[in-house]
Amino acid sequence: GDSVTQMEGPVTLSEEAFLTINCTYTATGYPSLFWYVQYPGEGLQLLLKATKADDKGSNKGFEATYRKETTSFHLEKGSVQVSDSAVYFCALSVTNFGNEKLTFGTGTRLTIIP
Amino acid sequence: DTEVTQTPKHLVMGMTNKKSLKCEQHMGHRAMYWYKQKAKKPPELMFVYSYEKLSINESVPSRFSPECPNSSLLNLHLHALQPEDSALYLCASSQGTGKSPLHFGNGTRLTVT
Repeated sequence: GDSVTQMEGPVTLSEEAFLTINCTYTATGYPSLFWYVQYPGEGLQLLLKATKADDKGSNKGFEATYRKETTSFHLEKGSVQVSDSAVYFCALSVTNFGNEKLTFGTGTRLTIIP
Repeated sequence: DTEVTQTPKHLVMGMTNKKSLKCEQHMGHRAMYWYKQKAKKPPELMFVYSYEKLSINESVPSRFSPECPNSSLLNLHLHALQPEDSALYLCASSQGTGKSPLHFGNGTRLTVT
């Protein structure tokens, strides 16, 4: 079945450090890939997405490239801020008989210290 | 601000109570979802409605009963819950194309005593 494997956390970085959170996937068909972020006490917010191979999603300084050859969608940011502290979920979506299902990775808790 | 509104934000209920969670979206999305999220875990899909019809039920116990009165509203009726059902319940909506992202509400924090 479809699955997402995500880098184990928690991850603690200093402000302005470079961030990478690894994500790889297994899917039948041609999935769309997403990164969601969850701040404490809130629901999930879409951070970025990519719908086909070699697409690059970007938002708020975060980037991820859909790599079909390595089945990966790693999240990167060049200089993190304290406000980036949150839980990050990698996810894939596959449409099956007209129904779409979002499969999540386990989540990576990120803490940025000043 | 989220475009998917969930009420109530918090709910405490006994195991013999009946309560309902409500969700509303006005983005014209055709698909609506219920997810359950336990602490430090990813969301788990419970139900999917497509064009107001139940299209996916992920083998959820019958003490959870979803309802979609119209294209903007989604309810989750709760009855005879167990303490292990305590969790954050998230509603989401999407255009339902398979490539469209889900838009989540902020959830209802449910505690079953």
